[in-house]
Amino acid sequence: GAVVSQHPSWVICKSGTSVKIECRSLDFQATTMFWYRQFPKQSLMLMATSNEGSKATYEQGVEKDKFLINHASLTLSTLTVTSAHPEDSSFYICSARVYQGVSTDTQYFGPGTRLTVL
Amino acid sequence: KQEVTQIPAALSVPEGENLVLNCSFTDSAIYNLQWFRQDPGKGLTSLLLIQSSQREQTSGRLNASLDKSSGRSTLYIAASQPGDSATYLCAPNPFGNEKLTFGTGTRLTIIP
Repeated sequence: GAVVSQHPSWVICKSGTSVKIECRSLDFQATTMFWYRQFPKQSLMLMATSNEGSKATYEQGVEKDKFLINHASLTLSTLTVTSAHPEDSSFYICSARVYQGVSTDTQYFGPGTRLTVL
Repeated sequence: KQEVTQIPAALSVPEGENLVLNCSFTDSAIYNLQWFRQDPGKGLTSLLLIQSSQREQTSGRLNASLDKSSGRSTLYIAASQPGDSATYLCAPNPFGNEKLTFGTGTRLTIIP
């Protein structure tokens, strides 16, 4: 159980285009999903917290107009990188929070999406 | 702001050896702490979640300890296998907030 999928697993796009990445919880509902970015040989950095039915909360330094997040249902959150540039090339990972009590508050992570902007 | 340090950054050991990975964090006000593994180019797999009230948590050959007051956690891997080769990340979870702060990880290589 607690499987999170991401689509696509990798994408190559031209500079200036927009790219949408989907994050789905396959066998559970998640009121909260998180988006992380990981540059080569670095750790994961939280970009934003996505709550179903409300606006996402962005971390300091993350441009909300560039990284659009939509959490339209309890099983789907999307991240759209608008007007992508080469410096946006990174590994994007989502996670979904499962809370069934204080002893089981955890996040399940998707397999990640490799974005390369030419 | 929580800062997480993992030492060593990289570790190579022969198959069969026991090993310890270290994690230290600056803010001891945590709810729980998770250990993850990440294979190259892949997402994260949760290994162990240890609550702030616990001192140890075990799963198979893995044992995680937590000393919240000193801001330290260790991951002990017994009888290492080549399949254990991966990057291991620790992530303390702050009290009342589900935001995770990740360490830079320890890249583990088990030599057959």
